[in-house]
Amino acid sequence: QSVLTQPPSVSAAPGQKVTISCSGSSSNIGNNYVSWYQQLPGTAPKLLIYDNNKRPSGIPDRFSGSKSGTSATLGITGLQTGDEADYYCGTWDSSLSAGGVFGGGTKLTVL
Amino acid sequence: QVQLQESGPGLVKPSETLSLTCTVSGYSISSGYYWGWIRQPPGKGLEWIGSIYHSGSTYYNPSLKSRVTISVDTSKNQFSLKLSSVTAADTAVYYCARLLITIFGVVIDYWGQGTLVTVSS
Repeated sequence: QSVLTQPPSVSAAPGQKVTISCSGSSSNIGNNYVSWYQQLPGTAPKLLIYDNNKRPSGIPDRFSGSKSGTSATLGITGLQTGDEADYYCGTWDSSLSAGGVFGGGTKLTVL
Repeated sequence: QVQLQESGPGLVKPSETLSLTCTVSGYSISSGYYWGWIRQPPGKGLEWIGSIYHSGSTYYNPSLKSRVTISVDTSKNQFSLKLSSVTAADTAVYYCARLLITIFGVVIDYWGQGTLVTVSS
């Protein structure tokens, strides 16, 4: 059972747009920045979005992030078959047992 | 370019201690950042294990805290994970990573390739 809640799967056609939600609480998303990670099949996760909406160098602007209250959203436009992957949200939990927390992951299928 | 590489046994017996080392290249551990471990059971999601600063300050996942020790060796530019009393539930791909932890949150910007550790007799 993950601390952050994501839909198990989403799908869309090439060229379309998709959003992936991540829901938490005031001790994590509500008071901390959110990151998103992309995990292509058989590889390690890769940082996609940090500080809610910033993209590391090399990440195309087709990927975007936003946060409102205790929820965050990853958006991907102009879907490509190469975007098929698992996507994870992550943040810090500032409760008494402070530490990193992740969502359960969302599998994106590009039909 | 920062690179991280995990090393250690791929098979550990139940009740024994899992030990992994992460060797960092392209960046000095002493220069800053936290260094940590994340695991992923086969077919499942990511789980935070814990992290350490070069000074020795640590954060551990509360559910694993009683069994986990993370240490750092700045002379070798390495950090290590020890997980005691393992069971089959600890079978996972273990990733080492570089983390930026601030009052605003955490960002994991570099990951190792991961190493599969199987717990079995």
